Order: sequence, then structure tokens, then C-alpha cells
Amino acid sequence: KAGVTQTPRYLIKTRGQQVTLSCSPISGHRSVSWYQQTPGQGLQFLFEYFSETQRNKGNFPGRFSGRQFSNSRSEMNVSTLELGDSALYLCASSSPTSGTVEQFFGPGTRLTVL
Amino acid sequence: AQTVTQSQPEMSVQEAETVTLSCTYDTSENNYYLFWYKQPPSRQMILVIRQEAYKQQNATENRFSVNFQKAAKSFSLKISDSQLGDTAMYFCAFMKPRSGQLTFGSGTQLTVLP
Repeated sequence: KAGVTQTPRYLIKTRGQQVTLSCSPISGHRSVSWYQQTPGQGLQFLFEYFSETQRNKGNFPGRFSGRQFSNSRSEMNVSTLELGDSALYLCASSSPTSGTVEQFFGPGTRLTVL
Repeated sequence: AQTVTQSQPEMSVQEAETVTLSCTYDTSENNYYLFWYKQPPSRQMILVIRQEAYKQQNATENRFSVNFQKAAKSFSLKISDSQLGDTAMYFCAFMKPRSGQLTFGSGTQLTVLP
């Protein structure tokens, strides 16, 4: 099976712009979770989608949003970018209904905000 | 809310030796999952091992094993016969069932010395 893929791998934006990141889960996985990784805050949970519904959300401002499509692919959007949004954004997929609760991660999208 | 603590920011071990990484967590839940992930310099997050809280038997995966002490809320990782490829940041993580949310510790940077 192919692993989790994320596009783009690298992104450079300026303050005030918006950005959309994409994540394709492992085939058959219906749960997609997003994380932000920074040197200062470590790994923080953004949100989780399962069957197109957001089931859980972390403590991030409303500028961070996401969605999931019927094929389980997920997108994450950040509006009005701030310098502090520079981070590695990781998505992970799992299949909890089939017992695969562990999350498998993509390679990440490195976002730099100038 | 759950918290995960890794008190060893950095560790080193000689090739072929054994090393133990520590992790403690705090939760009021009775049923949960614990994981160890490794993140090498490529930044790809890789699952090392998983433990279900309801299982008393400690999980093992080849050279990797855990010491799970539920009452003490301790979850350490033992790496036997350390290899150069084990050099990575190791994260301990907690997850409640059906939450899709991993709560990570701050990580332990392990360096295997030749």
C-alpha cells in the first residue's frame, strides 16, 4: 500500500496570505489527523476528520480550518498567515473502525511565512 | 486533559548497547493507547511500538520493547543492540480511543555512537 502523501512539500508565503495544504491517506483509512510541529511548541494537534466530519479539534484559532472529502483526502487551510505559523505540518491517517488505531504519518509540509 | 512528559532531552548510546528512554503521563482515563514514534533527520515520523492500556503484557517489536507500568503511569522504551540507524528524536504519545488525537511528549534526541 502507498503511504500517506502530502502536497506541497515546501511552501513559502508572506504574512496576510492564505495557504491550503493537502493530505492523501493510506488507502482504506478514513481518519485523518493534522499536527503542527515547531521547535518552541513541539507537536500540537490541530484537528481530526473521520468520514468527512470533524470529530475533534485542538486549541488553535479559527484561522486554521480543514475539511475532508468523500475519498478521505483532507485539506487544511490557514488564512491571514502570521510569522508564527511557520512550521512543519504533519498529517496522519488511521483506520480505527478496523482496529488500526495507530496513526501513520506523511512526510509533512514545511511552511515558511515571511 | 492529558499530559506526556519526557524528562531526558538528549541521550547517547554506543552501537550494540542497550538504552532505555523514559516517559510518564497523566490521565484520568482507564482505557487508552500509548505509542513511541521516532523522527530521524528526514523528519518522517515513524511508528515504533504501540501499547493498549488494558493489556498487562508489555509490547515488543524486534529490538524494541516497552515497560508499561499503568499504576505508575510510566511507559519506557528499551532499545537493544542499538544501531546507527536508530539515531533519531523519539516521541512518546498518548491517545484516547476514538479521539484521533495524539498527545506528544517533548521528545528525546537519541544518538547512537559508532
